[in-house]
Order: sequence, then C-alpha cells, then structure tokens
Amino acid sequence: EPEVTQTPSHQVTQMGQEVILRCVPISNHLYFYWYRQILGQKVEFLVSFYNNEISEKSEIFDDQFSVERPDGSNFTLKIRSTKLEDSAMYFCASRVSPMGEVGNTIYFGEGSWLTVV
Amino acid sequence: GQQLNQSPQSMFIQEGEDVSMNCTSSSIFNTWLWYKQDPGEGPVLLIALYKAGELTSNGRLTAQFGITRKDSFLNISASIPSDVGIYFCAGRGTSGTYKYIFGTGTRLKVLA
Repeated sequence: EPEVTQTPSHQVTQMGQEVILRCVPISNHLYFYWYRQILGQKVEFLVSFYNNEISEKSEIFDDQFSVERPDGSNFTLKIRSTKLEDSAMYFCASRVSPMGEVGNTIYFGEGSWLTVV
Repeated sequence: GQQLNQSPQSMFIQEGEDVSMNCTSSSIFNTWLWYKQDPGEGPVLLIALYKAGELTSNGRLTAQFGITRKDSFLNISASIPSDVGIYFCAGRGTSGTYKYIFGTGTRLKVLA
C-alpha cells in the first residue's frame, strides 16, 4: 500500500541551526501538508501546499519556516534558526487533490522527531 | 479560530467492553476523520465521513457524522488490548479551506 515516507526519523540539533525535514508524499497525490505535535499534545496544522505554492498556513508557520517541492517527489520543511520550542514530532501528509470528497482524505507519514538542544 | 473538543480525555476500560468517544465544535465541518496514533508513530486513518448523518463502519469501529455537522462520534465494540492508543478526530471546515484541524485526543487504555 502506498505510504508517505519521512526522513530523518529523529534529528537532534543545536539551537539556532537550520533543519530540513524531508517527505516523499504518495506518488499520485497533489496536495501536501506539514503538521507538528509537541510531546503529549494534539496535532497542529502548519501549512498546506498545492500547485507549487502555499495554500494555507497557521500562525505557527512564521518567517522561520519554509516549504519547498524541489523535484517531482520530495516535499521539504525548513526551519531556518531552530528554537527550543520547535522540539516536536513533525508529520508530513498528502491527499490526492483538493477537489472532490469521497476517498479524498489525508494520509500521514510516520513523523520526524526533532529535538532542539 | 475553529476548535475541536474531544471527550473523554482518557478512559480505562476492561477488555471486551464497548467504547464511545465524541468530538464537538462550535462551527460547521464538511468532513470528519478519525485517526488512531500509537506512541512515536504517525496518525493512522480509521474512518472518514463526508456527509451529515453518515454512519460508517470499519470492522469493530463505527463512526457518525452528526446531523448538525458540528459533532461526530466513534464507537469501538468489544475492545481488545491492541486498541490502546490515542484517538483523534480531525475536521475540515467550510469556506473553501482544505486544512484539517485536530481534536484534543482521547487516550484509551484497555485492561486485560
């Protein structure tokens, strides 16, 4: 069964360093998301991306964050200068398209656990 | 902004018992999704609901999209130890958004 894959599974970084989290969405999916989950808390929306541009973003997704689809298969989240409070599990998700409903749900990857020290 | 409240926050049940949890909002949603998350893993989709009043089953799981479009419930029948985990609802609102908002989660523990 096709799945969303994420790398790395776990990364430890120094505060102030740049981090890039990578995702390979399901191959025929066109709409991509990043969510994060701070330990013990709910899953929070960060950003959605379609047709090579950001569709929506939350207040969490400030100027320190950026997303990119550098090629036909990868979707990345960059944090320019990490802060301690960026420590969380980051989930990539994808869906077939923004159009239609039935069967058009979002599927999540296993997550990348980021620890900022 | 839109928020989803889940209840109960946590529950301990005996193996074999049925479980019911729900998700409510003050605003209308077009889609409800139910996910299960095991520790250190990503959310896994259990059931998707697209129409008000829709009742959908997936094995021992049954979920319904509330008539008012402001709530949804998930039932698990005859619970087993592997049902342990955190259950999240997620909803997609109206006004052209494709953003899914997650509920606060229900932590389920099953006692054998």
